[in-house]
Amino acid sequence: GQQVMQIPQYQHVQEGEDFTTYCNSSTTLSNIQWYKQRPGGHPVFLIQLVKSGEVKKQKRLTFQFGEAKKNSSLHITATQTTDVGTYFCAVYNNNDMRFGAGTRLTVKP
Amino acid sequence: ETGVTQTPRHLVMGMTNKKSLKCEQHLGHNAMYWYKQSAKKPLELMFVYSLEERVENNSVPSRFSPECPNSSHLFLHLHTLQPEDSALYLCASSQDRKREAFFGQGTRLTVV
Repeated sequence: GQQVMQIPQYQHVQEGEDFTTYCNSSTTLSNIQWYKQRPGGHPVFLIQLVKSGEVKKQKRLTFQFGEAKKNSSLHITATQTTDVGTYFCAVYNNNDMRFGAGTRLTVKP
Repeated sequence: ETGVTQTPRHLVMGMTNKKSLKCEQHLGHNAMYWYKQSAKKPLELMFVYSLEERVENNSVPSRFSPECPNSSHLFLHLHTLQPEDSALYLCASSQDRKREAFFGQGTRLTVV
């Protein structure tokens, strides 16, 4: 079953607006990964966070790992139509990476 | 493109058919996975192979049978499937089971 809660399930934004998706766990995580899956495509690895309070940036994307290592967020500044897709977090649980349900982002031009 | 190649990309099969999905990775990874992705459920981990040995089977019905003949190849043999088995089947590989996964493009399976 699902090991991590990811919210929201869907998000529709106007191009240029910001977007954030969250992953929350009841247990302390050793690491967390983020993936993006474009419509009709396959999941593509974006980044891995390991350290408490870690913040990493990739252009307009900002990834954060909570101080308690129980939650993480992915924030996109000024969304573009190329950002559409489903964003998944994945956490290490029971010896393997387990994926959240994903947040599907749509962007209106 | 991703280093993980899946064939076929699309497959339509009847409930009495036997078919196989193939996955090949060119990344020198030690772990390979089968995932199922259907419209109303998150990515479901089906099988894990580490160093060619199956290490996990997540209560997958026996009509799905994996095979890993070597560290670069992974198969999923399908037999007597049900319509609810229609989904996107994704293969992935990783250096080890904690590292990032590289996915193939998937096989879109339709069971009729």
